[in-house]
Amino acid sequence: EVHLLESGGGLIQPGGSLRVSCAASGLTFSNYVMSWVRQAPGKGLEWVSAVSSSGSTYYADSVKGRFTISRDSSDNMLYLQMNSLRAEDTAIYYCAKEDRTYWYFDLWGRGTLVTVSS
Amino acid sequence: IVLTQSPGTLSLSPGERATLSCRASQSVRSSYVAWYQHKPGQAPRLLIYGASSRATGIPDRFSGSGSGTDFTLSISRLEPEDFAVYYCQQYGSSPQTFGQGTKVEIK
Repeated sequence: EVHLLESGGGLIQPGGSLRVSCAASGLTFSNYVMSWVRQAPGKGLEWVSAVSSSGSTYYADSVKGRFTISRDSSDNMLYLQMNSLRAEDTAIYYCAKEDRTYWYFDLWGRGTLVTVSS
Repeated sequence: IVLTQSPGTLSLSPGERATLSCRASQSVRSSYVAWYQHKPGQAPRLLIYGASSRATGIPDRFSGSGSGTDFTLSISRLEPEDFAVYYCQQYGSSPQTFGQGTKVEIK
C-alpha cells in the first residue's frame, strides 16, 4: 500500500528551529516532485515548499530564507528544516506527492502539528 | 491567483445534491483545477483534477465542471461519508493556490 507518514512536529518557541520528516512507502519515491503543504488553525491549505526529482527546490514567499526542503531518495524520506519560526508558522504540516506531469497532489499524509508559542 | 470558495458551509441531508463553487481572481490556465476532500485527522484526498477528471477510485457521484474563472464540484447524492471539508486548488500558475474550503455538514 502506498502511503506517506509525517513525524517530528511539536511545541517550539518563537525564533527556534524544528525539522519535520516524511517517510514514503509503496512508491518509487525518487521519481516524483514532493511538497509540504500546511494548514494553520481555522484556515485553508497553503503550499509551502517543493523539491523535484532532480533536487531543485521551490518555496512560498512566506517561508523563503527560513525553511529548507530536502530529500533522501535512498531512504524514501522528505524533510523540512524550519528556522526562525514565528507564531504564524503554527500549522499542521502535510507531506504530499505531486502528479508526474502536473502540480496537483495525488497522495497526502495525515500531517504533523507544529506549534510555535512561548 | 486567489481562489474564493462558496458557500463557506453547506448544510444538507444525506441523499441531497451538493453544489460547491470555486471562483478564481483570474483565468486558470487550461482549467488546471483540482478538488480535494478533507476529514479531520485524515489525509486530504484527491477527487478531481483538470477541472472534470475523477481521480482513481472516486465514485461517479462526484463531478467537476467549469473553465476560466468559475469552477464547480457537484455531489449528486450525498452519502454519510461525504460530509467533510472540500478545497479547490489551481495549479496552472505558480505558486499553486488553494481556496479557503467549503464545509459540507449534516443538516
